[in-house]
Amino acid sequence: KQEVTQIPAALSVPEGENLVLNCSFTDSAIYNLQWFRQDPGKGLTSLLLIQSSQREQTSGRLNASLDKSSGRSTLYIAASQPGDSATYLCAVKGSNFGNEKLTFGTGTRLTIIP
Amino acid sequence: DTGVSQDPRHKITKRGQNVTFRCDPISEHNRLYWYRQTLGQGPEFLTYFQNEAQLEKSRLLSDRFSAERPKGSFSTLEIQRTEQGDSAMYLCASSLGQYNSPLHFGNGTRLTVT
Repeated sequence: KQEVTQIPAALSVPEGENLVLNCSFTDSAIYNLQWFRQDPGKGLTSLLLIQSSQREQTSGRLNASLDKSSGRSTLYIAASQPGDSATYLCAVKGSNFGNEKLTFGTGTRLTIIP
Repeated sequence: DTGVSQDPRHKITKRGQNVTFRCDPISEHNRLYWYRQTLGQGPEFLTYFQNEAQLEKSRLLSDRFSAERPKGSFSTLEIQRTEQGDSAMYLCASSLGQYNSPLHFGNGTRLTVT
């Protein structure tokens, strides 16, 4: 059974700093990994999707990396802003045919201090 | 592209009552997913549709839960004889048919069973 862990559960950093969020998963047989952000009381917004054959993806100030063999992914946020405050979730999709299920971590709640 | 729409945003019901939620996916998306999220946890997969066909159901989806997508467009999720443990955020997502397509989530329906 796939398990996804995100540590730390909460993180506070001053505005302008660069930061890294961590995600680990137990079964390396994944098809892709997706990072989402969730604002309080809202749904999830897709940030980046990394296919299993890729090592990283970038979008603006965000960079996600994937090391499938070690079961790890990181989300790097450059020059953090107060608007980046949210909960960040990672999710993996298994590689077995027909499996559409995403398995999520419990998220890291990020607070950027102005 | 108006995004994934869910209705209602909030629902308060008494234990034992039936409730129904609606999800309207992004119009060109043929895959539709239901997830459930409790406080402090990541979303958990419930079920998904490819067009009108329900292709996968989680064990979390007990006999009291039923989901439909009759014409391959909007979907409904019904919970019969609600229990307090059903209190959660119910999230709908949609995606294109390609296997590496990212999921786009709605803002969810928050259910409170009293």
